[in-house]
Amino acid sequence: AQKVTQAQTEISVVEKEDVTLDCVYETRDTTYYLFWYKQPPSGELVFLIRRNSFDEQNEISGRYSWNFQKSTSSFNFTITASQVVDSAVYFCALSDLSSGSARQLTFGSGTQLTVLP
Amino acid sequence: NAGVTQTPKFRVLKTGQSMTLLCAQDMNHEYMYWYRQDPGMGLRLIHYSVGEGTTAKGEVPDGYNVSRLKKQNFLLGLESAAPSQTSVYFCASSPSTVRPQHFGDGTRLSIL
Repeated sequence: AQKVTQAQTEISVVEKEDVTLDCVYETRDTTYYLFWYKQPPSGELVFLIRRNSFDEQNEISGRYSWNFQKSTSSFNFTITASQVVDSAVYFCALSDLSSGSARQLTFGSGTQLTVLP
Repeated sequence: NAGVTQTPKFRVLKTGQSMTLLCAQDMNHEYMYWYRQDPGMGLRLIHYSVGEGTTAKGEVPDGYNVSRLKKQNFLLGLESAAPSQTSVYFCASSPSTVRPQHFGDGTRLSIL
């Protein structure tokens, strides 16, 4: 069963629109960590945020905000007033112990966000 | 700050050839990882290491071998390259399994 689902394969918005990227995860662990990474067209992977399973506080960082809800196993990412530079592939990832004796990072398939000028 | 450096950045191989990808990190991280990225599939873990001299299999280890003889280096080997191994390979390191991983810039590998 897929552990991290990013159902939106591609999203296209016009600059200054708000956009939300969805992430749904599956784990049997009570302690786990969730991450978001950004991959711009240049190809590198950039860490954006980490949340642990005990901290359901939503977080805001500038134009970025994250909504973590354990009840729905979701960790959604919202960009407010999107800009062309936000165009990238965004990955949600889960770190838990269900794959073996050591925590491993499982990535979703990514959402390609295109912000049009 | 170099961070995580992958060598080479691009390579083209013929089926059956062998090669080694090198990953070097200068952050004194214990944990190192090799991933492959294929279109529409995100990143999948090939092998990882929890410290010098240790290695373990990830989700897709077949056809690959790894070694971690020095803490700062993690090598990924393809003994007999196959077209299915055409991919972008990323190396990452982290100080612990619950901290964010730092990624290299990737190696684009094509097997003809």
